[in-house]
Amino acid sequence: DTAVSQTPKYLVTQMGNDKSIKCEQNLGHDTMYWYKQDSKKFLKIMFSYNNKELIINETVPNRFSPKSPDKAHLNLHINSLELGDSAVYFCASSQEPRRFPLYEQYFGPGTRLTVT
Amino acid sequence: RKEVEQDPGPFNVPEGATVAFNCTYSNSASQSFFWYRQDCRKEPKLLMSVYSSGNEDGRFTAQLNRASQYISLLIRDSKLSDSATYLCVVTRGGNSGGYQKVTFGTGTKLQVIP
Repeated sequence: DTAVSQTPKYLVTQMGNDKSIKCEQNLGHDTMYWYKQDSKKFLKIMFSYNNKELIINETVPNRFSPKSPDKAHLNLHINSLELGDSAVYFCASSQEPRRFPLYEQYFGPGTRLTVT
Repeated sequence: RKEVEQDPGPFNVPEGATVAFNCTYSNSASQSFFWYRQDCRKEPKLLMSVYSSGNEDGRFTAQLNRASQYISLLIRDSKLSDSATYLCVVTRGGNSGGYQKVTFGTGTKLQVIP
């Protein structure tokens, strides 16, 4: 009964390829996030969706496109992969922050992406 | 200046010691504050939210100092299982329909030694 799940767990691919990472949460949360954690362990938010609406969109290359088919899913599609995209990508979910300011984010196990 | 700053450590402390971490934030409009814990090669997990008046959960105490713009985490009677990286999280915005900003610190690594 994993609360936040991501697939795949590991992804090794070549530069220039297009890949997707899927995320699903079964907590009934309205808000979902994508984070990137680089080799220096710095965790940086990329996107956040609330009820399928984009509410956080940090400065990331437009090669990264989030897609939220419903509020339980937030997928991340990456076009034309580059070496610098190698990192661990975490999906997370929470209750809606504007209504619950002291919200807990529940993280998925992460997807370790290696671009060669 | 980074929006959220933490000493990366590592802090190497013996079992039973008391250890304290600080986290400073630069934006006075910051609203909510948290401490997360991340074990090696695992996902971050919430340790505790930080309330304005300070709060305690067992061996862990969190404090917020808005005037000096920092939060702190105190761990008493350290256990081997406390070894992890402790991440400070600060949020702001999101009211009136605007975007919310969530910023994680780079984390402070704690190693508790037998």
